[in-house]
Amino acid sequence: GNSVTQMEGPVTLSEEAFLTINCTYTATGYPSLFWYVQYPGEGLQLLLKATKADDKGSNKGFEATYRKETTSFHLEKGSVQVSDSAVYFCALSEGGSQGNLIFGKGTKLSVKP
Amino acid sequence: GAGVSQSPSNKVTEKGKDVELRCDPISGHTALYWYRQSLGQGLEFLIYFQGNSAPDKSGLPSDRFSAERTGGSVSTLTIQRTQQEDSAVYLCASSSTSGPYREQFFGPGTRLTVL
Repeated sequence: GNSVTQMEGPVTLSEEAFLTINCTYTATGYPSLFWYVQYPGEGLQLLLKATKADDKGSNKGFEATYRKETTSFHLEKGSVQVSDSAVYFCALSEGGSQGNLIFGKGTKLSVKP
Repeated sequence: GAGVSQSPSNKVTEKGKDVELRCDPISGHTALYWYRQSLGQGLEFLIYFQGNSAPDKSGLPSDRFSAERTGGSVSTLTIQRTQQEDSAVYLCASSSTSGPYREQFFGPGTRLTVL
């Protein structure tokens, strides 16, 4: 079945460091891909999405490109801030009308000043 | 406007008891999803409602789990005869319609602890 694999954390970075969180997927058909973020004490919220191959999603300085050839959707940010400390989830939505999400295990990011 | 709300925020129960978890979706959202977040399994889809259609229950882990959605709005997830492995955070999400492109808006979750 469909699945999402993302790098295990925790990831600890210094402020202004470059961030990459790897995400690969297995899917039949053409899924949509998402990154959700969960800040401490808050609910899950959409960070960015891409709905077809070669699309780039971006938000708040984060970017991810839908790579069909490598079945990947890696999250990147050029300069992280302390406020980016959170748990990041990669997810896919299978084709069809339903749209339920399949999530990776999550990667906890801690950014130190 | 108001987001997705869930109640209670925390629930502690004894093994074998029944529990009910409530979700109030964003007003006007026709699609509603329940997920479970646990240490061992990560985030798992449980059940999906779209308008007045029959729900997709394919993610429910056992027949002890059931859910209903009244009037196309509020939803209740019921777990009967709770087991320790049911301990998790139960998340509800809603979207303006269904489909793979629509953003799902998540509630803060209900943390269930089964002793």
